Amino acid sequence: AQSVTQLGSHVSVSEGALVLLRCNYSSSVPPYLFWYVQYPNQGLQLLLKYTTGATLVKGINGFEAEFKKSETSFHLTKPSAHMSDAAEYFCAVSGGNNNDMRFGAGTRLTVKP
Amino acid sequence: GAGVSQTPSNKVTEKGKYVELRCDPISGHTALYWYRQSLGQGPEFLIYFQGTGAADDSGLPNDRFFAVRPEGSVSTLKIQRTERGDSAVYLCASSLMVVGYNEQFFGPGTRLTVL
Repeated sequence: AQSVTQLGSHVSVSEGALVLLRCNYSSSVPPYLFWYVQYPNQGLQLLLKYTTGATLVKGINGFEAEFKKSETSFHLTKPSAHMSDAAEYFCAVSGGNNNDMRFGAGTRLTVKP
Repeated sequence: GAGVSQTPSNKVTEKGKYVELRCDPISGHTALYWYRQSLGQGPEFLIYFQGTGAADDSGLPNDRFFAVRPEGSVSTLKIQRTERGDSAVYLCASSLMVVGYNEQFFGPGTRLTVL
């Protein structure tokens, strides 16, 4: 079984500051890990994913995440926040098949001018 | 091309009523998923279809919930005798297949409010 924990339901940063959203996972098999973004009244959009291979993965809009097996973490970062990054972010884990994807509770990112 | 669409976008109903929520997946996607997202929570898996059959319905909370996909495309999530606790956003997603990793594409959701 898989599960994720997102630390911090709300994160606030200033425009131009580093964004760090934390995600820890639990999985009984090698995990596939995902970050999704959800803008108001829109569906979830895939930001990036880790399946196999390189542990540092780059996604859209300048985001990246690093899979750290020893820490069971997959934190999302962006060097410089933009106002348009304000949204809800969800970390998710699966065991390699789509039917077992499990989401965290989400982190709402606020970007202050 | 068109993404996943869901109708209605909002549904308000009274306790005890029956509701149907519709999902139109991306053309050619054989796998379809339903999730429920309660306020302040992440999406929670309900059921998925591979083609016409419900391959895994273990996430359905009780027998008031039922979903169909009769022709392997459009799916309808049906909720009988709605309760206030059913209020949530119901998300639909589709992907090319279920086995292995295939990106799930999500619709905008249907916000269900049970008064």
